[in-house]
Order: sequence, then structure tokens, then C-alpha cells
Amino acid sequence: SAVISQKPSRDICQRGTSLTIQCQVDSQVTMMFWYRQQPGQSLTLIATANQGSEATYESGFVIDKFPISRPNLTFSTLTVSNMSPEDSSIYLCSVAMSGTGELFFGEGSRLTVL
Amino acid sequence: AQSVTQPDIHITVSEGASLELRCNYSYGATPYLFWYVQSPGQGLQLLLKYFSGDTLVQGIKGFEAEFKRSQSSFNLRKPSVHWSDAAEYFCAVGAGGGSQGNLIFGKGTKLSVKP
Repeated sequence: SAVISQKPSRDICQRGTSLTIQCQVDSQVTMMFWYRQQPGQSLTLIATANQGSEATYESGFVIDKFPISRPNLTFSTLTVSNMSPEDSSIYLCSVAMSGTGELFFGEGSRLTVL
Repeated sequence: AQSVTQPDIHITVSEGASLELRCNYSYGATPYLFWYVQSPGQGLQLLLKYFSGDTLVQGIKGFEAEFKRSQSSFNLRKPSVHWSDAAEYFCAVGAGGGSQGNLIFGKGTKLSVKP
């Protein structure tokens, strides 16, 4: 298993601003994933972050809106840029520790945009 | 298209009663199936998983799930619910292996437990 820490745990932001969410893992992992959980909705994969390469974004998500950094094997950041109220969600960092597809999740960052 | 359906948005059971949460999936290949639980303000915790073999899988906290290929279902069960089981439960399907990370989640079932 893995221990995943996210910061901030929650924040309230103004429209038009940007917020960077940090994700720290207690062990080295190749692949890190960022998910979004909109209110009352399921989880949706935003992007996959591999160390040393550009993140791979899912359909409907673009790098300009959700830039991701992956400077090493234990850390990643997700920035939500030029926020609008529609970006109010829980953003979750996750990692896969084996080839079985099982994911471990951080506690999430609850973002409210006013 | 690949999808996961959890038909029940909200279920309320009495403490000590049995529980079954439904999950149906649509997936073109052999699925890897998961159940996660999310307590208020918490991240997701894996309850159990199915990859192959015995179709009845045991998980943590006394939960089990049965994979029924003919029904495309992976229902979660618990014989006796505890008040601490109140949470939201998510069913997910994925391809595993090289496609790990791209899990498709259902919309979740919120479980309330009456004393």
C-alpha cells in the first residue's frame, strides 16, 4: 500500500485565480493519477503523470487548464487555472502500486470557487 | 461504451441488518473490478477487488462481493451492518496492467445506518 498526502485539504478561492494542489507519496511510484469528483458525481480521471515526461490528459481536460508537474517519483502537483464555480470539486491524487490496476488515493482536496 | 451503473443512490439499513449494494458494468474486455468506500471528508479506501479465479471475493471490514459474468454484476454484500459502515461506496472497473489508473467509477451509493 501507499500513504498519500495532499495539500491543501480544502480551500475557498475566488473566480479567476489559480490554485496548486500538492501530492506526496511515501514511496517511489512510476505513475500518479489525478481525479476529479464533482459534487454528487463520480470520479473522473483528469490525467496521468509520469516522472520525466509530459502528463497525459483524458478527453475533456487540457494542459492549459490543469497543468501538472511531476519532478520526482514521490511528488506531483496539479494546478487548477483561471477557476470558475464549475471547478468546485474534490481533486484526488492516486497511485498504482502494482500491475493489477488497484489504486490508492489521497484524502482529496476540496475546492470551492466563489 | 464502458460504464459502471450503481442503481441505488441512497440506501438506509438498520444496524445489524444485511446489506447488498448493486453494481453493473459494461466493459468490452475481461474486467478488473473494485469496490471503494469513502467516509465523509476522507479519500477512497479499497474494500476488495476481483481479477480472476474465485468469483466470490472477500474484502476488509467483513465485506464480500460476487462477480457474475452472465449478469455483468459485481454486487457488494455484508451480513451485518455496523454504524461505522455509513459512507459512500463506489464500484469501479478497469483493464489493469498497462491501463492501470484509468478506472471507470460508478456514481456511488450512499449508505445510511439506522440505530
